[in-house]
Amino acid sequence: QKEVEQDPGPLSVPEGAIVSLNCTYSNSAFQYFMWYRQYSRKGPELLMYTYSSGNKEDGRFTAQVDKSSKYISLFIRDSQPSDSATYLCAMGGEWGGSNYKLTFGKGTLLTVNP
Amino acid sequence: NAGVMQNPRHLVRRRGQEARLRCSPMKGHSHVYWYRQLPEEGLKFMVYLQKENIIDESGMPKERFSAEFPKEGPSILRIQQVVRGDSAAYFCASSPPTGGFNEQYFGPGTRLTVT
Repeated sequence: QKEVEQDPGPLSVPEGAIVSLNCTYSNSAFQYFMWYRQYSRKGPELLMYTYSSGNKEDGRFTAQVDKSSKYISLFIRDSQPSDSATYLCAMGGEWGGSNYKLTFGKGTLLTVNP
Repeated sequence: NAGVMQNPRHLVRRRGQEARLRCSPMKGHSHVYWYRQLPEEGLKFMVYLQKENIIDESGMPKERFSAEFPKEGPSILRIQQVVRGDSAAYFCASSPPTGGFNEQYFGPGTRLTVT
């Protein structure tokens, strides 16, 4: 079983749709959960990070973490064509381990159509 | 505040040559990380450095790869005697000196092609 599983998509939605992106993980020692956005041929851009279980909202983006299910989500409301990118989930802060090492999913390619 | 800078952005090397990738962290950041992104793969941790110290190089191949972060100047990832399998995007990230491991900010990457 891979440490982090993320559906690669591609996911195609119309402008204005609500987008749901998800990752599952197997290592219960992870404490921090991040979402990065990566445009084609660019570096990952940190969107949001959360610590432990719960929700965090930032503008049109909401991150959810359910540690009991080892499941994290990113919701994008009122999606825009400029949101078209690959979204990477990442985990770190491994309790009792290398807390600085981020473990990434493979990314989900999202296209928002005008 | 300038972000993480990497150069070159693209690098082409023939098999057997050396590749040298440079990374300048964000201003005020003293922790540097290198990750590699192979085609169709997620980013993989390679090495974590602080000024003049290698903290963790467990993700780096034992042979041909080395990294440094000198007191002055950028961090360098060096690949000797490159092979085709080294072709990938190499990303550098940095984080602030106090905690903040979860806030790693990435540079634009260096895309290495080995011919």
